[in-house]
Amino acid sequence: DSGVTQTPKHLITATGQRVTLRCSPRSGDLSVYWYQQSLDQGLQFLIQYYNGEERAKGNILERFSAQQFPDLHSELNLSSLELGDSALYFCASSVGITYNSPLHFGNGTRLTVT
Amino acid sequence: AQKITQTQPGMFVQEKEAVTLDCTYDTSDPSYGLFWYKQPSSGEMIFLIYQGSYDQQNATEGRYSLNFQKARKSANLVISASQLGDSAMYFCAMREGTTGANSKLTFGKGITLSVRP
Repeated sequence: DSGVTQTPKHLITATGQRVTLRCSPRSGDLSVYWYQQSLDQGLQFLIQYYNGEERAKGNILERFSAQQFPDLHSELNLSSLELGDSALYFCASSVGITYNSPLHFGNGTRLTVT
Repeated sequence: AQKITQTQPGMFVQEKEAVTLDCTYDTSDPSYGLFWYKQPSSGEMIFLIYQGSYDQQNATEGRYSLNFQKARKSANLVISASQLGDSAMYFCAMREGTTGANSKLTFGKGITLSVRP
């Protein structure tokens, strides 16, 4: 168990809808990351937060947004969903933000858009 | 250019034997970390081992060791005494130092390992 909690585990929704994915980092970790894993794109970095502030953005679509709350949990909001958004979404956390700090991943939320 | 390259096709190993999974990386940053993760069919991403660019010794964690060859920019994962539960996808990843607070983890495409009984 990595200590990172993601909910829900599975989500099935229709095109055009909006969903919210939730993540609680490991105790003591201030940095939260979101990744998308799909068969064709592999593991893609979406966004990083550190202690409530956005620190880095990757290949995150404008339809997607995220935030980290004062209690350090994070939410990833996906709107106007398309079939191509179907993927496994991971949240990860790390105690530090330097190169020697490993990321610990949650079990992921599997999103299916129909 | 790809920062992490994992080019092996699906790998097979006999139970109890050792196996090496290859990873090469590309960076001009002197400070970087290399990581290996395991993703079983159930989907979770499990952190296995870390090697820092300034580390003099190869990293080891139980049955996992990292064969770090800095000049060749390779960081191969060695799994000793393979077990059936080692069957999974394995990802090599890198964090670079000079991007500072924004150092993200970049992944390779992964290698599928199947352990035969």
